[in-house]
Amino acid sequence: QQQVKQSPQSLIVQKGGISIINCAYENTAFDYFPWYQQFPGKGPALLIAIRPDVSEKKEGRFTISFNKSAKQFSLHIMDSQPGDSATYFCASPSGTYKYIFGTGTRLKVLA
Amino acid sequence: KAGVTQTPRYLIKTRGQQVTLSCSPISGHRSVSWYQQTPGQGLQFLFEYFSETQRNKGNFPGRFSGRQFSNSRSEMNVSTLELGDSALYLCASSLRGQHNYGYTFGSGTRLTVV
Repeated sequence: QQQVKQSPQSLIVQKGGISIINCAYENTAFDYFPWYQQFPGKGPALLIAIRPDVSEKKEGRFTISFNKSAKQFSLHIMDSQPGDSATYFCASPSGTYKYIFGTGTRLKVLA
Repeated sequence: KAGVTQTPRYLIKTRGQQVTLSCSPISGHRSVSWYQQTPGQGLQFLFEYFSETQRNKGNFPGRFSGRQFSNSRSEMNVSTLELGDSALYLCASSLRGQHNYGYTFGSGTRLTVV
């Protein structure tokens, strides 16, 4: 069964630091690769998504880097803030309109 | 703009019973996907519907089923509940089913099977 390997499981960063979360996928890239942010008691919220023909996408403090040949993509959170403390999930398309999610990274940003 | 609405928010059922969960997508969205979220397995894809047609399904037993109505509202049903079905069930709506701009999850239905 296809998997998406996400690391690290948990991450502690100082306020103002850079948070980096990595994902590795197995299937052929043909659709958007998204990152989601989830706070306790809420559903995941789409943070940013990248097409597989693009190597980097930036939106504010959030950047996705995509390496198609290595089948890896990562989320960088610049100038991390305590309000960024949440669980982050990556996802990979797996067949038409079907996605496999990573296991999640619990980020804590210290004030 | 109203978000994705899932009802009920919480549900407690007994083993062997069946349950129906409801999802109202964002107005204009025609794709609805369902996911199961558990601490051990994370987010797992159940199925996706577009214009009343199921376009893909995940690796779940036949006890899990769903449908979509002409107004894009969707329901999922779980029959013969097992303890392992306890989870947060999330639905997400989008224009066409792609995880780009506009793909929105609801807050979920927390199902507890006792």
